[in-house]
Amino acid sequence: KAGVTQTPRYLIKTRGQQVTLSCSPISGHRSVSWYQQTPGQGLQFLFEYFSETQRNKGNFPGRFSGRQFSNSRSEMNVSTLELGDSALYLCASSLPTSGSWEYEQYFGPGTRLTVT
Amino acid sequence: GNSVTQMEGPVTLSEEAFLTINCTYTATGYPSLFWYVQYPGEGLQLLLKATKADDKGSNKGFEATYRKETTSFHLEKGSVQVSDSAVYFCALMILTGGGNKLTFGTGTQLKVEL
Repeated sequence: KAGVTQTPRYLIKTRGQQVTLSCSPISGHRSVSWYQQTPGQGLQFLFEYFSETQRNKGNFPGRFSGRQFSNSRSEMNVSTLELGDSALYLCASSLPTSGSWEYEQYFGPGTRLTVT
Repeated sequence: GNSVTQMEGPVTLSEEAFLTINCTYTATGYPSLFWYVQYPGEGLQLLLKATKADDKGSNKGFEATYRKETTSFHLEKGSVQVSDSAVYFCALMILTGGGNKLTFGTGTQLKVEL
């Protein structure tokens, strides 16, 4: 079974621009979560989508948004980029087990965003 | 709020040495606990998990036991290899109907030398 894929793997943008990152979850997984990883702040939760609905959100400004499509693929968008948005953005997919709330998150390789 | 505290790195060991990476947590409710590993230039890989008190997660020679009384989930391996060099993250998840998210520790870098 193919793992979580993220595109692009590397991206360089200029301050003020916007960017869209894509994540394709493991086949059959319905939940997609996004995390930001930086040397200073570590791994921080951005948001989670399940069945095309955002059901959990981290403490990030409104410039960070996302969506999920009917095939469970997800995109996240960052508008008006700032230097501090430079980070590794990780996507994780998971599958809620029927009759249980237990599930594990499987991560993609990440998109390395550099803002100049 | 929920939080995870890990020991500071880097941890440098000789091959075949015993490894312990300490992890303690603070959580409202009953968390599931995880260890993830990140190799250079890669995403996170799930190493092991435990979902309730006294559970032991194990994988690839690594083990961790969910200790509710000490709110700990320390990672251990009896004999490390150079290939184990990576960054290790302890994480917790509180399972709710309103969505689930992982709360991570700061990560501990492990370097294994010949």
